[in-house]
Amino acid sequence: NAGVTQTPKFRVLKTGQSMTLLCAQDMNHEYMYWYRQDPGMGLRLIHYSVGEGTTAKGEVPDGYNVSRLKKQNFLLGLESAAPSQTSVYFCASSTQGKGLHPWVNEQFFGPGTRLTVL
Amino acid sequence: AQSVSQHNHHVILSEAASLELGCNYSYGGTVNLFWYVQYPGQHLQLLLKYFSGDPLVKGIKGFEAEFIKSKFSFNLRKPSVQWSDTAEYFCAVNTGGFKTIFGAGTRLFVKA
Repeated sequence: NAGVTQTPKFRVLKTGQSMTLLCAQDMNHEYMYWYRQDPGMGLRLIHYSVGEGTTAKGEVPDGYNVSRLKKQNFLLGLESAAPSQTSVYFCASSTQGKGLHPWVNEQFFGPGTRLTVL
Repeated sequence: AQSVSQHNHHVILSEAASLELGCNYSYGGTVNLFWYVQYPGQHLQLLLKYFSGDPLVKGIKGFEAEFIKSKFSFNLRKPSVQWSDTAEYFCAVNTGGFKTIFGAGTRLFVKA
């Protein structure tokens, strides 16, 4: 199993350009997440999905859109990139847990995409 | 708002030293707690987790963490670190929804 993969690994954009980051998982996980990681701030949730065709906003959703047309893929789009979106982006997936809160479980992370917006 | 604090941003230890990384969270209800690790050039991966039961949790590679509800803490420990433990460590807290809050991370460097 490849686990969680992300493409591209690196990207440089100019302000105003658009791009799409692709996340794919082969573990048949129900839940998928997009995070950004900035120095001194840990990981912050951008958007997440609890199943094919569904998405929801996380902590920092502004400037991003997502789509989950297939269960194994979760796309993150930047329509008009800004320098404030320079960051490392991580995708993660998880399956249902067995505890009191079945939607809470270990997340499996991709390798990250380093995005620079000039 | 819920938050997670990791007190040490950078820690430098010599091999065989004991490790304790602090993690405190701000939420008064039921929590699910995680420690993740990111080794250089690798993905984040789970070290250990606490959902319920014994508050002393053992994880991979000799790590353990203790949940102290009265102190809102979930500190990570290892009795004797190795050079291969050099990594960044993230504490994370989930309060029951789909959103898990991560701390800012602690970079550990172990001198051989």
